[in-house]
Amino acid sequence: NAGVTQTPKFQVLKTGQSMTLQCAQDMNHEYMSWYRQDPGMGLRLIHYSVGAGITDQGEVPNGYNVSRSTTEDFPLRLLSAAPSQTSVYFCASSTGLNSNQPQHFGDGTRLSIL
Amino acid sequence: SQKIEQNSEALNIQEGKTATLTCNYTNYSPAYLQWYRQDPGRGPVFLLLIRENEKEKRKERLKVTFDTTLKQSLFHITASQPADSATYLCGGYQKVTFGTGTKLQVIP
Repeated sequence: NAGVTQTPKFQVLKTGQSMTLQCAQDMNHEYMSWYRQDPGMGLRLIHYSVGAGITDQGEVPNGYNVSRSTTEDFPLRLLSAAPSQTSVYFCASSTGLNSNQPQHFGDGTRLSIL
Repeated sequence: SQKIEQNSEALNIQEGKTATLTCNYTNYSPAYLQWYRQDPGRGPVFLLLIRENEKEKRKERLKVTFDTTLKQSLFHITASQPADSATYLCGGYQKVTFGTGTKLQVIP
């Protein structure tokens, strides 16, 4: 059981570069989400998806794009990286949108923007 | 705005004692609250969920309470062990807003 798999685990970018953080789940979950975790700020929701072809913005969506072409995959794109996007990024999945369903998290991507 | 707050950033307790962590919410009424454990370098792992009509829920040495009057959930770990040392996150309703977490250290 792989659960939620995030790649890469670590990445260093220069300001202005673009990249895609990958997230895949093998539990056939409809709901997937991306969070960033910063010291003193906790987990903040960036974007989420309630199924293939459906995405919506969370609390801090600016500078990030997402798409959901399959149930399994939910990539997060940084269009033009900025130092303020230095963070740890977590992908999560669950069977439902509301919090009556536990979320399953990946182990994160640690991203540094120089 | 809707907010989940965990006011204690860190909590140190002696092995064998009961650890109590607090989660407060403001400007909304969550139908559910969830508690997660996060170890360094890892993603959060789900522990317990409690509904607003459940006063208390238990799982092994873990106990969670939900007080809608105080707008608060308490998370207890009884007979704490050094292996319980981790950061504990409280998550709320609607796209699961999270608190900033409480880092628990159990001292042998």
